[in-house]
Amino acid sequence: DTAVSQTPKYLVTQMGNDKSIKCEQNLGHDTMYWYKQDSKKFLKIMFSYNNKELIINETVPNRFSPKSPDKAHLNLHINSLELGDSAVYFCASSQEEGGITDTQYFGPGTRLTVL
Amino acid sequence: GDSVTQMEGPVTLSEEAFLTINCTYTATGYPSLFWYVQYPGEGLQLLLKATKADDKGSNKGFEATYRKETTSFHLEKGSVQVSDSAVYFCASGTASKLTFGTGTRLQVTL
Repeated sequence: DTAVSQTPKYLVTQMGNDKSIKCEQNLGHDTMYWYKQDSKKFLKIMFSYNNKELIINETVPNRFSPKSPDKAHLNLHINSLELGDSAVYFCASSQEEGGITDTQYFGPGTRLTVL
Repeated sequence: GDSVTQMEGPVTLSEEAFLTINCTYTATGYPSLFWYVQYPGEGLQLLLKATKADDKGSNKGFEATYRKETTSFHLEKGSVQVSDSAVYFCASGTASKLTFGTGTRLQVTL
């Protein structure tokens, strides 16, 4: 009955590799997000999609490319991984776009370690 | 831009102690305010929220009141338990996104 799921849970890879993280939500929500949480627990939004359309693209390097095949899925592909990409990446979803009143539901996170 | 400032942790308390975690925000317009909690190894979960000035959000014994005059949303609990040990995030919601504070780690001991 997982509401927001992410795979993999852990990802260890070498610098320069390309990797993907998948996210799926079964809540019927229209909006999905990707957040990055650094080692100090600071959480920052990266992207948001509403009905498969990109809404927010914060100042994220072009090496990060989100893809939303349908509104229940938002995958994150990262090219040419760098040491500074090591973090925990959280997917989230909400019924409506934005943060005015709507609760966001978070996945369990993917811990990415770049060696 | 919007920002949220939380007190730095970690906060260490004995069980049954009173908890306050301070949170202030800056935002254009009138944001909704949230407290999220992150238990070890898990994603964030909504703890409580308030959508307008003077609203009080409450859940699981935690409370926070939206104070427009002081731009604050301090989290309080009268008697903490060991199971409350987690990282607590204050957030403001405006326009199309949430802005999070840096999180405050709470450690409750017996």
